[in-house]
Amino acid sequence: DAGVIQSPRHEVTEMGQEVTLRCKPISGHDYLFWYRQTMMRGLELLIYFNNNVPIDDSGMPEDRFSAKMPNASFSTLKIQPSEPRDSAVYFCASSRGYRDIEQYFGPGTRLTVT
Amino acid sequence: GQQVMQIPQYQHVQEGEDFTTYCNSSTTLSNIQWYKQRPGGHPVFLIQLVKSGEVKKQKRLTFQFGEAKKNSSLHITATQTTDVGTYFCAGPQEGNKLVFGAGTILRVKS
Repeated sequence: DAGVIQSPRHEVTEMGQEVTLRCKPISGHDYLFWYRQTMMRGLELLIYFNNNVPIDDSGMPEDRFSAKMPNASFSTLKIQPSEPRDSAVYFCASSRGYRDIEQYFGPGTRLTVT
Repeated sequence: GQQVMQIPQYQHVQEGEDFTTYCNSSTTLSNIQWYKQRPGGHPVFLIQLVKSGEVKKQKRLTFQFGEAKKNSSLHITATQTTDVGTYFCAGPQEGNKLVFGAGTILRVKS
């Protein structure tokens, strides 16, 4: 199993630009999570999906952030327009069902907004 | 909402010394998970504790879950340089959300 796949691994962009982060969860996992990690705020849950449906997006910072999961094997997190304070490492994670809630994290995307 | 507090924030030990990190929840947890994140890496699941008073061991790592299921600890015996990283505890909220502690950064001097 390849594990959770994220792309790109690094992204450097200018303020105001649109950024799209991508995630492929582990096959068979029906929960997908997007996290953001910074030194100041630690690991924050942004949004999670169950069977491709967004369940809780209360962690999404503001309307500039949006996430989609068009099918069981793909999800995107979009920031438009990006701002310097969005600079962070963004992790995607997946898990199987409710009881087996061990989460498998992807390698992360390090985003730098200048 | 549920909070998970973790202490210490940072610990620097000499190789061979023991290390312990503590996790406390404001509410009773159905279970608690521990993750390790190496520098520059991603969180990796270590273990899950479910039962009150449960103790589990993984080689030099000992995990405990409190009797009231509101606290937990991770103890590493005789640390090695391979133990460096950040150790997170996490407890489930409603649904399948995990609330992560702030983590304890472990540095080991050889």
